[in-house]
Amino acid sequence: QQQVKQSPQSLIVQKGGISIINCAYENTAFDYFPWYQQFPGKGPALLIAIRPDVSEKKEGRFTISFNKSAKQFSLHIMDSQPGDSATYFCAASALSGGSYIPTFGRGTSLIVHP
Amino acid sequence: EPEVTQTPSHQVTQMGQEVILRCVPISNHLYFYWYRQILGQKVEFLVSFYNNEISEKSEIFDDQFSVERPDGSNFTLKIRSTKLEDSAMYFCASTRQLEPHYNSPLHFGNGTRLTVT
Repeated sequence: QQQVKQSPQSLIVQKGGISIINCAYENTAFDYFPWYQQFPGKGPALLIAIRPDVSEKKEGRFTISFNKSAKQFSLHIMDSQPGDSATYFCAASALSGGSYIPTFGRGTSLIVHP
Repeated sequence: EPEVTQTPSHQVTQMGQEVILRCVPISNHLYFYWYRQILGQKVEFLVSFYNNEISEKSEIFDDQFSVERPDGSNFTLKIRSTKLEDSAMYFCASTRQLEPHYNSPLHFGNGTRLTVT
């Protein structure tokens, strides 16, 4: 119920291409869907997030698409750059025991070739 | 920009030994978390902490684990008797407020790599 499924596990894209990472969830209590970006040796850092009352959110080259009925959401990176090479985690959070606990997907390792 | 600080960056210990991982959350944050990431795998929730007590813990957070905020700034994770499978990257995170939580994302430290031999 608490699982967040993420695909693909790894992704290789040419510079300028579009990177697409997909996530799906089961728990309808989730009400916040952040994406985290992690570079080697660093902790995850919030990239962009969406609430389920909107279907799309765009920040620069990064867009989240959200399909509430299908319980799916995805990250699109337009004009992918070598500096975007990192691991991307989708997450979903809901109130649990008094805290909002983000549940993370397994991560997608993105490599953008120059 | 304020950040979450974790020490040490790398800890090597022998199986059965106790380890303490230390974190200094962002100063005006109220909610604190520990997550772990086994190499190449997903980030797993361990425990959340608010108002000097555990709010929520996962199945991973068994009796070998404990957390403490001893002095109002540090937030520590103690593993009493380490096992080989405890080898992982441990991340501390903090956030300012609970409601509305989508305005207060988790800020993660750079992690402590724990190696149990």
